[in-house]
Amino acid sequence: KAGVTQTPRYLIKTRGQQVTLSCSPISGHRSVSWYQQTPGQGLQFLFEYFSETQRNKGNFPGRFSGRQFSNSRSEMNVSTLELGDSALYLCASSLDLEKLFFGSGTQLSVL
Amino acid sequence: GENVEQHPSTLSVQEGDSAVIKCTYSDSASNYFPWYKQELGKGPQLIIDIRSNVGEKKDQRIAVTLNKTAKHFSLHITETQPEDSAVYFCAASITGGGGGADGLTFGKGTHLIIQP
Repeated sequence: KAGVTQTPRYLIKTRGQQVTLSCSPISGHRSVSWYQQTPGQGLQFLFEYFSETQRNKGNFPGRFSGRQFSNSRSEMNVSTLELGDSALYLCASSLDLEKLFFGSGTQLSVL
Repeated sequence: GENVEQHPSTLSVQEGDSAVIKCTYSDSASNYFPWYKQELGKGPQLIIDIRSNVGEKKDQRIAVTLNKTAKHFSLHITETQPEDSAVYFCAASITGGGGGADGLTFGKGTHLIIQP
């Protein structure tokens, strides 16, 4: 069974640009969550989608948004990038809304 | 919101010895406590989890204990091996209730080093 796939693996952007990250969950998983990981703040919850609906959102500004498609694939978008947005963005899928299976992440560098 | 404290931040043990990582949480409503292992260049991998109605759970060399009264839980790894070297994260969340996942609140992580 294929795991969670995140693309791209690495991204380099400049301040003010926007970026879209993609996540394909494990087949059959309808819940997709996104987390930001930085050395200073650790792992922080961004948002969670289930059946194309955002069910909860963490404490991040409105520049961070996401969506989920009918095939459960998900994208997250960050607009007007800031230096502090440099981080590893992790996507996780779940079958039972408890056990999360993470992808390898997208490493975003903002210059 | 929930706050999870994790200690120690770095733990070095001799191969074959045991390792213990401790976490405390603040929200008494939290009822699900997973542990994740993250290796370099990879995402976190679930290694064991426990719900609040259980005091202890074991899976081969790893075990987790939960003390609801004190609001702390611990990860125990016995007979440590070189492949156990990684960063370990504890987490807490409120699940069930039909309100949807509130997301996991993670500890800051413990870098476990197994000395040969």
